[in-house]
Amino acid sequence: DAGVIQSPRHEVTEMGQEVTLRCKPISGHNSLFWYRQTMMRGLELLIYFNNNVPIDDSGMPEDRFSAKMPNASFSTLKIQPSEPRDSAVYFCASNAGTGYGYTFGSGTRLTVV
Amino acid sequence: AQSVTQLGSHVSVSEGALVLLRCNYSSSVPPYLFWYVQYPNQGLQLLLKYTTGATLVKGINGFEAEFKKSETSFHLTKPSAHMSDAAEYFCAVSASGGYNKLIFGAGTRLAVHP
Repeated sequence: DAGVIQSPRHEVTEMGQEVTLRCKPISGHNSLFWYRQTMMRGLELLIYFNNNVPIDDSGMPEDRFSAKMPNASFSTLKIQPSEPRDSAVYFCASNAGTGYGYTFGSGTRLTVV
Repeated sequence: AQSVTQLGSHVSVSEGALVLLRCNYSSSVPPYLFWYVQYPNQGLQLLLKYTTGATLVKGINGFEAEFKKSETSFHLTKPSAHMSDAAEYFCAVSASGGYNKLIFGAGTRLAVHP
């Protein structure tokens, strides 16, 4: 199994541009989570899906952030327009069920200049 | 609601010394507990977990943790630290309400010096 795959690995963009982060969860995992990690705020849960349905998006910081999961093998996190304070490492994780724990991707390091 | 407290944001030990990273949790239901490790520029990796059964659980890289219900603790230990153990460690508890959500602690950064 290739694990949770995130792309791109690094993204540098200018303020105001649209950014799309991508995630492919492990096949058979029915839950998917998007996290953001910064030095100041640590690890923050942004949104999670169960069986492709968004369950809780209360961690999404603003309307500039949106996430979709059109099928069981793909999810996107979009920021439009991006701002410098969005600079962080964004992680995707998937999970096969309660008690299994998460498998994390390698993350996308986003820099907004 | 569930919560996790990791005591000590930074821990420093000598190579070969005991590693002890503290985690206390609160949960209204029997918890599932996890420890994750994050090496620089990498994602979080599962070290070990407790779900049911034996309260002393062993994980990768020589780490182990003991679930103590009476103390609501799940401390992580390793008898002898190695330089390669330098990383950030996160404790997590399963949230009630299903959907497999975990609540993470703030993390403890472990430094190992010669």
